[in-house]
Amino acid sequence: DVKVTQSSRYLVKRTGEKVFLECVQDMDHENMFWYRQDPGLGLRLIYFSYDVKMKEKGDIPEGYSVSREKKERFSLILESASTNQTSMYLCASSVFTGFANEKLFFGSGTQLSVL
Amino acid sequence: SQQGEEDPQALSIQEGENATMNCSYKTSINNLQWYRQNSGRGLVHLILIRSNEREKHSGRLRVTLDTSKKSSSLLITASRAADTASYFCATHQNDMRFGAGTRLTVKP
Repeated sequence: DVKVTQSSRYLVKRTGEKVFLECVQDMDHENMFWYRQDPGLGLRLIYFSYDVKMKEKGDIPEGYSVSREKKERFSLILESASTNQTSMYLCASSVFTGFANEKLFFGSGTQLSVL
Repeated sequence: SQQGEEDPQALSIQEGENATMNCSYKTSINNLQWYRQNSGRGLVHLILIRSNEREKHSGRLRVTLDTSKKSSSLLITASRAADTASYFCATHQNDMRFGAGTRLTVKP
């Protein structure tokens, strides 16, 4: 069965810490995405990647960076965590058919609290 | 910026009734997808409709797409309490963008 695994379900960090959120997929998908979800705002795209070592900014990349050294792993990095980065973070992967993204498979999410 | 906007933001119905949710978007798309999210969990894909399709069915789900109006609707027929969840539309152009979602409550 298809699986996207996020390393932590809940995470509590302090302001100024460097935070790593890990996401691994076992479906050999080319495309991976990071979103954050806040009440009333839906999902907002932070970064995405269509290939190893490739990254593209989404709508809200400020304060974040990403790393994709291997096809199956896409990491989201908060360089210096701030309280306004408290949120649910969702990772997803998909196959790209050359024309369009087929369906996204999501991980269970990481609820990050920055104190 | 978000591509899709769902309407209504919240919907409450009785079991057995039909639920209709709408999605409007801003730019041209390759396809439009609907997802479901149970409280505090990841999203699950429900159905995909391509830009050259007008209607699609999957079980109790019916999706329509009107590219001239840049809008889509999701109809859930004969709703059940287990359909209680948030529903999101997502549009694909160069990436995948989601709306803010519709929170559906189905009362037993």
